[in-house]
Amino acid sequence: DAGVIQSPRHEVTEMGQEVTLRCKPISGHNSLFWYRQTMMRGLELLIYFNNNVPIDDSGMPEDRFSAKMPNASFSTLKIQPSEPRDSAVYFCASSPTGNTQYFGPGTRLTVL
Amino acid sequence: QQQVKQSPQSLIVQKGGISIINCAYENTAFDYFPWYQQFPGKGPALLIAIRPDVSEKKEGRFTISFNKSAKQFSLHIMDSQPGDSATYFCAASPMNTGFQKLVFGTGTRLLVSP
Repeated sequence: DAGVIQSPRHEVTEMGQEVTLRCKPISGHNSLFWYRQTMMRGLELLIYFNNNVPIDDSGMPEDRFSAKMPNASFSTLKIQPSEPRDSAVYFCASSPTGNTQYFGPGTRLTVL
Repeated sequence: QQQVKQSPQSLIVQKGGISIINCAYENTAFDYFPWYQQFPGKGPALLIAIRPDVSEKKEGRFTISFNKSAKQFSLHIMDSQPGDSATYFCAASPMNTGFQKLVFGTGTRLLVSP
């Protein structure tokens, strides 16, 4: 299994631009998580999907952030408009419900 | 109450030594305590986990010690090796949310010197 796949691995954009991060979970996993990692705040859960349905989005920082999971094999995290303080590493993780979360390699986002 | 406090922030251990990382929590609803290992440029990976019905769990050179009354848990790495050099995160989750809603510690950067 290829594990969780994220793209792009690196993204550099200018303030105000729309950014879309992509994730392909491990096949057969019905839970998907988006995390953000920064030096200041560490690893934070942004949103959790179960069977493609958003269950807990209490960690989404503000309305500029949105996430979708149109099917079991694809999810996106969108930031519009992006701001310099959104610069971070964004991780996607998947799991069989209630079990170990497997993290992808992350997307390093830099907003200038 | 949602925080998990982790120490030390960084740790240097000689090859063959014991690495010890500590975590403390306040939320008594937490009942799942994993440790994750993260190498540079990679995502965190589950190393070992414990539930509060046991006080210790060992997997190879890695041991979790859990003190429910003190609300503390720690990771011990025996016979530390240079390949163990990584950042280690403790985490905790309440299971009454229906999923692993992990709250992570701030991380410990471990360097094992040859």
